[in-house]
Amino acid sequence: LAKTTQPISMDSYEGQEVNITCSHNNIATNDYITWYQQFPSQGPRFIIQGYKTKVTNEVASLFIPADRKSSTLSLPRVSLSDTAVYYCLVGDGSSNTGKLIFGQGTTLQVKP
Amino acid sequence: SQTIHQWPATLVQPVGSPLSLECTVEGTSNPNLYWYRQAAGRGLQLLFYSVGIGQISSEVPQNLSASRPQDRQFILSSKKLLLSDSGFYLCAWREPGRSSGNTIYFGEGSWLTVV
Repeated sequence: LAKTTQPISMDSYEGQEVNITCSHNNIATNDYITWYQQFPSQGPRFIIQGYKTKVTNEVASLFIPADRKSSTLSLPRVSLSDTAVYYCLVGDGSSNTGKLIFGQGTTLQVKP
Repeated sequence: SQTIHQWPATLVQPVGSPLSLECTVEGTSNPNLYWYRQAAGRGLQLLFYSVGIGQISSEVPQNLSASRPQDRQFILSSKKLLLSDSGFYLCAWREPGRSSGNTIYFGEGSWLTVV
């Protein structure tokens, strides 16, 4: 399984765009890149998933360069409610292996 | 639609007592099932995962065990709790097959305090 490295914490202000980068140098050919958001005392919630290039949904964008050794989660115009821990998860999505290991996550603090 | 339930939501147990946390998933078949633990202020630690009935893979040793008696039921157990077992326990599931990628869904969590 590819190991992921993220910044431990980040600060931002309301209305700013936030970019959180995850390094996964030994990502495998079949691996997906998935991001989750976790609030205190809740389970992580899926945000976005991609394999290559750019993916966008209603809450975030995910940028993946051609070599796929890193990825960047972009949150447009954050609000106080975006204060949470963000996890990058890399794995092959195969149900045969099953194993999914989360990294340490990035604690995002949004200030007024 | 699929749902996941785990219980109890909170419990306080003395050191040396047994533990049983249960998790069930509805609306899917043959899901991958997971137990994670999160200590206060820490990341998610994978404890066990299962790709099918009776198939349990352990990521941690010591005094915890898991069982999958039915397709959509996952149970976390301990015969004798330690203080270090305190934490937030999360059950999760994933659709079988590569099309779901790494999309997993978590239950509400169970807070365990060992005293």
